[in-house]
Amino acid sequence: GDSVTQMEGPVTLSEEAFLTINCTYTATGYPSLFWYVQYPGEGLQLLLKATKADDKGSNKGFEATYRKETTSFHLEKGSVQVSDSAVYFCALSEGNTGFQKLVFGTGTRLLVSP
Amino acid sequence: DTGVSQNPRHKITKRGQNVTFRCDPISEHNRLYWYRQTLGQGPEFLTYFQNEAQLEKSRLLSDRFSAERPKGSFSTLEIQRTEQGDSAMYLCASSLDPTENTEAFFGQGTRLTVV
Repeated sequence: GDSVTQMEGPVTLSEEAFLTINCTYTATGYPSLFWYVQYPGEGLQLLLKATKADDKGSNKGFEATYRKETTSFHLEKGSVQVSDSAVYFCALSEGNTGFQKLVFGTGTRLLVSP
Repeated sequence: DTGVSQNPRHKITKRGQNVTFRCDPISEHNRLYWYRQTLGQGPEFLTYFQNEAQLEKSRLLSDRFSAERPKGSFSTLEIQRTEQGDSAMYLCASSLDPTENTEAFFGQGTRLTVV
């Protein structure tokens, strides 16, 4: 079945450092790809998405490009802030059946220190 | 509307007891999804509804798990004869009919602890 693999955390960075969180996927068909973020004590929030190959999703300074040739959707941010500390989940929408059944990676915890 | 609401936020139960969780989706959303998240893992899809119709339930973890959405609004997830392995966060999400721009909104979850 479809699956998502993302780098293990925690990722520990100083404020203003560059962030990369790797995500690769295995899927039949052409899934949409997502990054969700979970701040402490809050629900999952959609951070960005891309629906087809070569699309770039971006939001709040984060971006990720849908790379079909490498089956990847790596998350990047040029300068992280303390407020970016959270758990980040890469996900895909399974199949072409017209509903959003999401397959998630295991999550990567980001810790940003001042 | 304040988003997807789940109740209770926390539930502690003894092994063998039945538990029921409630999810109130965003009011105009006709799709409702249930996920389970165990410690250190990403959410795992369980089931979903289109209005009151449950369109997939094959991913429910066992026949002890059942879900309903009787009037196409709120939904309940019931676990009968709970086991310690059922301890997890149970998440609900809702959305409009999926198109390219549809977003699924998640609630804060119900954390179940089976002792």
